[in-house]
Amino acid sequence: SQQGEEDPQALSIQEGENATMNCSYKTSINNLQWYRQNSGRGLVHLILIRSNEREKHSGRLRVTLDTSKKSSSLLITASRAADTASYFCAANHGSSNTGKLIFGQGTTLQVKP
Amino acid sequence: ETGVTQSPTHLIKTRGQQVTLRCSSQSGHNTVSWYQQALGQGPQFIFQYYREEENGRGNFPPRFSGLQFPNYSSELNVNALELDDSALYLCASSSLWTSGGTDTQYFGPGTRLTVL
Repeated sequence: SQQGEEDPQALSIQEGENATMNCSYKTSINNLQWYRQNSGRGLVHLILIRSNEREKHSGRLRVTLDTSKKSSSLLITASRAADTASYFCAANHGSSNTGKLIFGQGTTLQVKP
Repeated sequence: ETGVTQSPTHLIKTRGQQVTLRCSSQSGHNTVSWYQQALGQGPQFIFQYYREEENGRGNFPPRFSGLQFPNYSSELNVNALELDDSALYLCASSSLWTSGGTDTQYFGPGTRLTVL
């Protein structure tokens, strides 16, 4: 079963607007990772946030983590048409001694030019 | 470019056949993980190999098996293919922390398997 649940499932915005995607997970984590996927191709790593971090930035991306609520959010600022893709959060279990990632169902983002 | 490669890109098989998918990890990584992604779904963890030993397995039957070689390349083998095995198969390489857990996983472009 998927541990991560993402919200919304689909998001359509105009170029230049901000896009926010949310992710919830069920058990304690070592870290949470966000990935982008274009048209059924491989996953591109965007950002990793560790369980002891609350916020992280990378370019136009901002990720927050609230371990008390077991949730994370990804904000893409000043979106571009090239940001159109599916976005997934993936949790690395706190109790796991492996690199197993549990993915959410993903958010499909469409950015209209 | 992640430095992780997979072959073949696409593959068509018939039910009951066997298939081998290949992955070449990023240099310096000691761990390879395999994921299955059905259409419209998030990837599902199949198993992971660390220093040539299976190190964790998801909810997949034994007909899904794997190998990791000393040069950190890896294979995913699926026997007795079923229609539901049609999916995108992704491998990811990473470094496993000695304290447990993993750092960033770098994914290959995937192999699209169609079972008829």
